[in-house]
Amino acid sequence: ILNVEQSPQSLHVQEGDSTNFTCSFPSSNFYALHWYRWETAKSPEALFVMTLNGDEKKKGRISATLNTKEGYSYLYIKGSQPEDSATYLCAPLGSGQNFVFGPGTRLSVLP
Amino acid sequence: GAVVSQHPSRVICKSGTSVKIECRSLDFQATTMFWYRQFPKQSLMLMATSNEGSKATYEQGVEKDKFLINHASLTLSTLTVTSAHPEDSSFYICSAHRLGPYEQYFGPGTRLTVT
Repeated sequence: ILNVEQSPQSLHVQEGDSTNFTCSFPSSNFYALHWYRWETAKSPEALFVMTLNGDEKKKGRISATLNTKEGYSYLYIKGSQPEDSATYLCAPLGSGQNFVFGPGTRLSVLP
Repeated sequence: GAVVSQHPSRVICKSGTSVKIECRSLDFQATTMFWYRQFPKQSLMLMATSNEGSKATYEQGVEKDKFLINHASLTLSTLTVTSAHPEDSSFYICSAHRLGPYEQYFGPGTRLTVT
């Protein structure tokens, strides 16, 4: 089972601030990594699928980078808005083809 | 995009009864489906991996006799919570792995309340 860590555990920012979080995972047996935006009691919303070392993905104000050699991915949110408040989950996919979710980073954007 | 449905979306049952939750991939075939549970204030926890035509693989600490999983076809997996207890009350989400790499689609979830 992959050991996935995310930091920080929670984050409070003011509207308009930019922020970033980290997902760490074992660099061996890496296959792909997914980022999700998740609100409690709802289905996770897929943000990015990243596969190659050095990948950079962007969707609106949200972007992500991937370093498979050192086993981390960053998620960035530029100009945070209250609607960005959610838990952001990363889920690496190992060679065993099972997704393992990280504990998540809970983001609260204060107006 | 691919669609995964879950039924029911909400269910309330009495302690000791069994509840079946269905997970369907509506427009694609899923050889593998996953069942997750959300504990309060925690992330999604993988309960089991369901492979079509074979026995499910349960994660450590998940009772296979209590959470029965059946993946009878390439579009349907079911989770049956047997002899439910109030501590089984939770939010259960399934996801389906589409043939081809890296794609996983989530169902909308089922809120189970055991009284």
